[in-house]
Amino acid sequence: AQKITQTQPGMFVQEKEAVTLDCTYDTSDQSYGLFWYKQPSSGEMIFLIYQGSYDEQNATEGRYSLNFQKARKSANLVISASQLGDSAMYFCAMRELYSYDKVIFGPGTSLSVIP
Amino acid sequence: GAVVSQHPSWVICKSGTSVKIECRSLDFQATTMFWYRQFPKQSLMLMATSNEGSKATYEQGVEKDKFLINHASLTLSTLTVTSAHPEDSSFYICSARDVDRSFRDEQFFGPGTRLTVL
Repeated sequence: AQKITQTQPGMFVQEKEAVTLDCTYDTSDQSYGLFWYKQPSSGEMIFLIYQGSYDEQNATEGRYSLNFQKARKSANLVISASQLGDSAMYFCAMRELYSYDKVIFGPGTSLSVIP
Repeated sequence: GAVVSQHPSWVICKSGTSVKIECRSLDFQATTMFWYRQFPKQSLMLMATSNEGSKATYEQGVEKDKFLINHASLTLSTLTVTSAHPEDSSFYICSARDVDRSFRDEQFFGPGTRLTVL
């Protein structure tokens, strides 16, 4: 069963605008962490932001914020003031505390920033 | 942050040969490392979990005899693709876990190895 769903295979955003990338997840654990990674064409995985299942506030890291709705099991990434360098693949991922440390990735969203 | 390296960064080989990919944690000890495979325009799929000093745990559908994993030290895990075939061509990424860090910050990814089998 798919544990992480990203329903947007591709997204376009105008430079300097904000964009939201969707992510929903499935778990029966109470303790888990949600991650967003950026993968540019070079292939490296760049950590962007983390949200713990017990965190009461939405995580923020610079231009990145995470809209965490626990009851709906969604963890959408919001990128504000998009830049050309934000064009990349974005992966939502989950790590369950009792899953032997495995990080499971969603299918990804390709973001293209238009000048 | 902690650094994980992979070697080689890219490799081209003939069908039927074996290829070894190294994953090293450069400034921390990693009791656990993970190997992922990524086909073009697809997500990272976990292949196996590598634990220092013990046998690797493979995900369902991953052939143990084809993808040999050895985690001989706390800083090195190797993935050997045996008798490689064109369908094994992929981007292989490792990650390493630094247990001295918090749950959020534990995992670090290597830069990946692009394997092309002719």
